[in-house]
Parts: sequence; C-alpha cells; structure tokens
Amino acid sequence: KQEVTQIPAALSVPEGENLVLNCSFTDSAIYNLQWFRQDPGKGLTSLLLIQSSQREQTSGRLNASLDKSSGRSTLYIAASQPGDSATYLCAVRMGAQKLVFGQGTRLTINP
Amino acid sequence: DTEVTQTPKHLVMGMTNKKSLKCEQHMGHRAMYWYKQKAKKPPELMFVYSYEKLSINESVPSRFSPECPNSSLLNLHLHALQPEDSALYLCASSQRGADTQYFGPGTRLTVL
Repeated sequence: KQEVTQIPAALSVPEGENLVLNCSFTDSAIYNLQWFRQDPGKGLTSLLLIQSSQREQTSGRLNASLDKSSGRSTLYIAASQPGDSATYLCAVRMGAQKLVFGQGTRLTINP
Repeated sequence: DTEVTQTPKHLVMGMTNKKSLKCEQHMGHRAMYWYKQKAKKPPELMFVYSYEKLSINESVPSRFSPECPNSSLLNLHLHALQPEDSALYLCASSQRGADTQYFGPGTRLTVL
C-alpha cells in the first residue's frame, strides 16, 4: 500500500527566504506526482505535475524535483511572500486514476 | 478556462434529509472525481467517473450515491447521513485519468 509522507508538518519562515518542502513515498511505481496548495476552507490549486520520466518542473518561483528511485520529491519556493502561506500537499498517482495524498505541510510566511 | 464549479458552497442537513451536491466543468474533461476532506486531513478519494461511467468506488457507504448525467456534470446524492459525514466535499476533473486534476472550491457539509 502506497504511503506518502510530508515533512515538516508545519513551517514558519520570514518573508524573502527560500525554502524546501519534502515529500516521500514508499512505492516507486507511480505514474506522476502532483503538488497542490490549499488555502483554509478552500479547494486545491494545482501547482506542478511531474511525470514519472521527468526529474523536475518549474513554474515561476516554484521548482519541483522528483527522484522516483529513492521515493522523494521536493518543492522549492524562491523568495517567499506572505501570499505563499497555505497548506502544500503532494500527491502521487497510482494506476490510471487514483491520487494518494500526503498529510500536507502548513506554511506560514511572516512579513 | 480551468474552472470547476460546485454548488452549494455550504449545506446543513438533518440525518433524515435527502440532498444533492452538484459539480460542473466545461473543459471537455472525461474523468471526474469526488473527494471527502475532514479538517486538517488530506482529501480522500470517494468515486471516479471515466467517460461518464463509474470506474472507482472506494468502498463508500451507500448513503452516498454518485451520478454522472453527462460529460460536464457530476452529482452526489446524499441520504440518511451521519454527523461524522460532515466534511468538505471536493469535486475534481482531468482530461484523462493520469492528467492534472483540477479541483472545485468544495461544498462544506454539516450533518446535524
């Protein structure tokens, strides 16, 4: 059974810092990995999707990497801003349609 | 347009009520999903529809009944719910099963 773990569970940093969020998974037989952000009481916003054959994806200040063989992904956020405060979830795709989510990292960026 | 809409935003119902949640997308996506999310927990998959046919049911109790009337619309019919069913219900869609999933804002359900 696939298990997805995100560390740390919560992170608080001052504005402007670069930071890394971690995601690990136990079964490397994944189709792809997706990073989402979720604001309190809201739906999920897709940030980046990395296919199993890819090593990284970039979008603006965000960079996500994937090391499938070691079961790890990282989300790098450059020059953090207060608007980046949210819960960040990683999810791995098992089979054609099923996403398995990690517990999330609650990120707070302090002005 | 990458929007998935959900109605209502909030719903309060008694344990004997029957209600429905609605989800709509006009992106031409052929896979649609229902998730349940409890406070401070990640979303849990409930159902997947692929090309308007139910392809995954994650052993969800029969008091939740999904329906996909057409390729743009997904409903979740609720009957005889329990207080522990109170949660945020999220709908998502994707072009195909393995593609990026786009989520709606959710319906906050409270069962009294």
